[in-house]
Amino acid sequence: AQSVTQLGSHVSVSEGALVLLRCNYSSSVPPYLFWYVQYPNQGLQLLLKYTSAATLVKGINGFEAEFKKSETSFHLTKPSAHMSDAAEYFCAPHGAGGFKTIFGAGTRLFVKA
Amino acid sequence: DAGVIQSPRHEVTEMGQEVTLRCKPISGHNSLFWYRQTMMRGLELLIYFNNNVPIDDSGMPEDRFSAKMPNASFSTLKIQPSEPRDSAVYFCASSFVIGGTDTQYFGPGTRLTVL
Repeated sequence: AQSVTQLGSHVSVSEGALVLLRCNYSSSVPPYLFWYVQYPNQGLQLLLKYTSAATLVKGINGFEAEFKKSETSFHLTKPSAHMSDAAEYFCAPHGAGGFKTIFGAGTRLFVKA
Repeated sequence: DAGVIQSPRHEVTEMGQEVTLRCKPISGHNSLFWYRQTMMRGLELLIYFNNNVPIDDSGMPEDRFSAKMPNASFSTLKIQPSEPRDSAVYFCASSFVIGGTDTQYFGPGTRLTVL
């Protein structure tokens, strides 16, 4: 069964600094990988998704993620953090052959002025 | 596009009362998901419908929880009787799925407080 690990429940960066949020999935390669973002008091919304077309995926708000099969990773990055990026981020692989998208525990990003 | 609509946005009730949460998915989507989010347990999938048919309800906590989807534009999640441990934010999400998966569009959630 597919599983996902997000390293670090909380990440704090300064405004303008690099954002790196880590995600590792289980050894079976998922056909789809998603990153969702949840702003305070809102539902989740799609940030970006990997569908095997390209290993580097660009999303909204300057975020991107790189699929690395050898490392079973799909880390999320942004070169320069903005205050508006403060939110919770969920990595979500989709299990092969099934319907379930498995959501990670989430990483809360804090951005300091 | 109005997005996924959930009602009510907030619900406060007393233990033992019946609670009904409502969801209107995005028009044209064929899949609907109910999730529960708490600090302790994170985001949990409760039940998934495809073409109005429940496909997997293994995430439903117990018999007190039930969900229906009478047509493609409406779903309910009912808790009867409610308990304080049911307090959480409940999200409905919809998607258009054929042979795999695709982006899920989440509603704003219903914050349930059971006293």
